[in-house]
Amino acid sequence: SQTIHQWPATLVQPVGSPLSLECTVEGTSNPNLYWYRQAAGRGLQLLFYSIGIGQISSEVPQNLSASRPQDRQFILSSKKLLLSDSGFYLCAWSSGTGDTEAFFGQGTRLTVV
Amino acid sequence: AQTVTQSQPEMSVQEAETVTLSCTYDTSESNYYLFWYKQPPSRQMILVIRQEAYKQQNATENRFSVNFQKAAKSFSLKISDSQLGDTAMYFCVSFYGGSQGNLIFGKGTKLSVKP
Repeated sequence: SQTIHQWPATLVQPVGSPLSLECTVEGTSNPNLYWYRQAAGRGLQLLFYSIGIGQISSEVPQNLSASRPQDRQFILSSKKLLLSDSGFYLCAWSSGTGDTEAFFGQGTRLTVV
Repeated sequence: AQTVTQSQPEMSVQEAETVTLSCTYDTSESNYYLFWYKQPPSRQMILVIRQEAYKQQNATENRFSVNFQKAAKSFSLKISDSQLGDTAMYFCVSFYGGSQGNLIFGKGTKLSVKP
């Protein structure tokens, strides 16, 4: 069966520090992968999505970046965090055809102090 | 740009009653999928129901059903016999574009079920 792992679950980082959030998927191949950010009590903002290794589409200009070094690994990074980067980050995957549901990680609550 | 609109930021319903959450979407694609996801306070995303655009029959899952109006680009969710555990954020989501596509989320509707 397919599973998705996202870590860490919570993170407190000082302003200006780097960030690395990791997401891995098991039980499927060539998934579409997504990073979303959710502010408290609000909807999801798509940050990045990827349809294949090394193929990243950025939806929102910001100081974040994403990489997909392996088929089932998706990494969200920042060289220098801002206070406005605080939020809840969700990784998700779906099949390339949309004929199955999307599966979500448990999320990472990031607080930049 | 593809969009999904949920016009009700918050709703409330009495336990055991029925509530309908609205969703409209905008696309020129002919092949797409629509979903309703539930996000309880734990913040884990849970699939509630899905609908293939090429199917005319409305999807149902136990107490949850949709009213899919393709021409009107409307995809509402009906929750019957509401339970306290239904309290959550509900997101209407679309998937377009096949292998090049991505998930588009509405802004969500916060549903409170009152005892």
